[in-house]
Amino acid sequence: SQTIHQWPATLVQPVGSPLSLECTVEGTSNPNLYWYRQAAGRGLQLLFYSVGIGQISSEVPQNLSASRPQDRQFILSSKKLLLSDSGFYLCAWTVRGSYEQYFGPGTRLTVT
Amino acid sequence: RKEVEQDPGPFNVPEGATVAFNCTYSNSASQSFFWYRQDCRKEPKLLMSVYSSGNEDGRFTAQLNRASQYISLLIRDSKLSDSATYLCVVDNYGQNFVFGPGTRLSVLP
Repeated sequence: SQTIHQWPATLVQPVGSPLSLECTVEGTSNPNLYWYRQAAGRGLQLLFYSVGIGQISSEVPQNLSASRPQDRQFILSSKKLLLSDSGFYLCAWTVRGSYEQYFGPGTRLTVT
Repeated sequence: RKEVEQDPGPFNVPEGATVAFNCTYSNSASQSFFWYRQDCRKEPKLLMSVYSSGNEDGRFTAQLNRASQYISLLIRDSKLSDSATYLCVVDNYGQNFVFGPGTRLSVLP
């Protein structure tokens, strides 16, 4: 069966520090991968999606970037965090040809 | 107009009640429709996909009206464990998932 991992589960970082969040999927090949952010009390906002290695589409201009160095690995990064980057970061995947998304457990980021 | 709008809630209902949530979407080119549930401080989990003919999964029934760009979710015989936020999701070929703001449900003993 398929499994999606995210780490760390929680993170507290000062403003201006870098960020790297990792997501990996097991049990499937060539998935579509997605990064979302959910600010406190708000809905999910799609940040990036990827249909293959090295292929990244950005939905929202911001100081975040994403990379997909391997088929089942998706990384979210920032060079300098802002207070507004605080939120719940969720990675999700879909099987090609199916648009049902499955989410990882998320990383709760607090920028101080 | 927001792309996906949902009943603002919260809905507070007694156990055993029937409750219905509504969702409207603005992009007529949308192709796929889903309901997710999200428990407090957890990731969203797929509840059900919504098909054109409507579909049922146990106590849950989802309906789609493409002409009116409207999706609904009906929960019968509510359980305490149904308490969560319900998210309506609209997609266009897996590249444009848009989540609604969610409707919170509290089922009371």
